[in-house]
Amino acid sequence: EVQLLESGGGLVQPGRSLRLSCVASGFTFDDFAMHWVRQVPGKGLEWVAGINWNGVSEAYVDSVKGRFTISRDNAKKSLYLQMNSLTTEDMGLYYCVKDQSNGVFSGVHPLDYWGQGTLVTVSS
Amino acid sequence: DIQMTQSPSSLSASVGDRVTINCRASETTRSYLNWYQQKPGEAPKLLIYAASTLRSGVPPRFSGSGFETEFSLTIKSLQPEDYATYFCQQTYNTPWTFGQGTKVEI
Repeated sequence: EVQLLESGGGLVQPGRSLRLSCVASGFTFDDFAMHWVRQVPGKGLEWVAGINWNGVSEAYVDSVKGRFTISRDNAKKSLYLQMNSLTTEDMGLYYCVKDQSNGVFSGVHPLDYWGQGTLVTVSS
Repeated sequence: DIQMTQSPSSLSASVGDRVTINCRASETTRSYLNWYQQKPGEAPKLLIYAASTLRSGVPPRFSGSGFETEFSLTIKSLQPEDYATYFCQQTYNTPWTFGQGTKVEI
């Protein structure tokens, strides 16, 4: 059974940093691209960042470029999101998501498994 | 960025009804279009990918169609467990973008 377990969310002041983690199980982690998708509770979904199977290629939504870094440790079956210079616009539930493909650019990318999310709150 | 617009934003339907949700892209996404279902308090679940390919295990009452900029998700005969919010998503260009969602209610 595929499982994605996120952690690292919490309350943080504007301008500070947070690091999200996601531990995967139930599939061959280093065969697949991984992503972070966020959602303000009760609102829509926003794809934040993606990383290919070996960590060489990354992609980000413009609003987080230069502030967020996605990374992975295939030996630990873990995905990370380093979030710096946080603003209230970054608040939301952050989902760790598995891709059915191994890349992060244009193509067929079914996001086939989602974690339950970790909540990030930015407030002074 | 490619803008994804769903219509309607919400709809009311009865068990057994045929329901169609539309998704329009601001520019071509070829067939790189996914559909997800989300119930309250749960993470989204993939239903359809590549515009019309049903994910394994998803009931065949769900179907998808479309190409380029116009797509649709159809539920042939609505069941009680189908009351949820549905999102489309393009993976043609980064940043990948989602529609705003369509809430299917009784």
